[in-house]
Formats: sequence, C-alpha cells, structure tokens
Amino acid sequence: KAGVTQTPRYLIKTRGQQVTLSCSPISGHRSVSWYQQTPGQGLQFLFEYFSETQRNKGNFPGRFSGRQFSNSRSEMNVSTLELGDSALYLCASSLTTQTGYEQYFGPGTRLTVT
Amino acid sequence: SQQGEEDPQALSIQEGENATMNCSYKTSINNLQWYRQNSGRGLVHLILIRSNEREKHSGRLRVTLDTSKKSSSLLITASRAADTASYFCATDAGPGAGTALIFGKGTTLSVSS
Repeated sequence: KAGVTQTPRYLIKTRGQQVTLSCSPISGHRSVSWYQQTPGQGLQFLFEYFSETQRNKGNFPGRFSGRQFSNSRSEMNVSTLELGDSALYLCASSLTTQTGYEQYFGPGTRLTVT
Repeated sequence: SQQGEEDPQALSIQEGENATMNCSYKTSINNLQWYRQNSGRGLVHLILIRSNEREKHSGRLRVTLDTSKKSSSLLITASRAADTASYFCATDAGPGAGTALIFGKGTTLSVSS
C-alpha cells in the first residue's frame, strides 16, 4: 500500500499570502489529522477530519482551516500568513477516529514564510 | 501545550550500546505511543502501549509504562548508526478527542560508529 503523501514538499510564501497544503491518506483510512512542528513549540495538533467532518480542533487561530473530500483526501489552508507560521506541517492518517490506533504520518510540507 | 517531557533532551552513544529515553506526562491516558523522526522528516510509528499494559517489546525496542508515576521509557538495545533520530512520546488527548495526540518535545539520539 502507498503511504501518506503530502504536496507540495516545500513552499516559500510571503507574509499576508495564503497557502493550501494537500494530504492523501493511506487507502482505506478515513481519519486525517494535521500537526504543526516548530523548534519552539514542538509538535502541535491542528485538527482532525473523519468522513468529511471536522471532529477535533487544536488551539490555533481561525486563519488555520481545513477540509476533507469524499475520497478522504484532505487540505489545510492558512490565510494571512505570519512569519511564525513557518513550520513543518505533518499529515497523519488512521483507520478510525478512535484513540488507540496508530497513525501513519506523511513526509510533511516545509513552509517558509518570508 | 505539551503533555509531558522527554528526558534526556539529547543522548550520544556508541554503536552496540543501549539507549534509554524517558517520558513523563501529566493527565490520565488511554494509551501512549512512541514515534521516531529522522532529520525533520515524517514520523514513524514505533510502538503503542495501552494503559493496562506495563511492558511491550518490538524487535530491539522495549517500552514500559508506569501509570502511577505517569511515566514511560523506551529502551533501544544494541543501537546502530541508523537509530540516529529524534524520538517522541505521544499520548491521547482525552475523552472525545479522537485520534489527536499530544507530543513531548523529544529526545535526540546520536549513535556513532
């Protein structure tokens, strides 16, 4: 089975712009979660989608949003980019939305905001 | 916010030695997982231990969980240069939080040949 894929792998944007990141989960996985990783804050949960519905959301401003399509692919969007949004954005897929199931992570998208 | 802390923050050992990393967390959990990350890339799932388990093995990995102390340890035996990576523990975020994980800040392991 193919693993979790994320596109693009690298992205450079300017402050004030917006960006859309894409994640394709492992075939058959219906839960997709997004995480932000920075040197200062570490790995932080952004949100989780299951069956096209946002199930959980982390403590991030409304500039961070996401959606999930019927084929379980997910996108996240960050509007009005700030320098502090520079980070590695990781997507993870899981079979279910229940805890206790391992999550499979993609390689990440490295976003640099200048 | 971070659920807990890994200890040590960094660890340097020689090939063949054992590496032990510790993780502490703050709230009650259903399970705890360990992940490995190579140089700013994606996370690789290593092992999951449930709150009613005390010890689990997978190949050269041994994980223990002490819920009374809210702590876990990851032991890598006979380390190899390829084990050089950052290691993170992650706990579930509580009832109703789905698959959301709370990660520690990680231990950076360097194994030299």
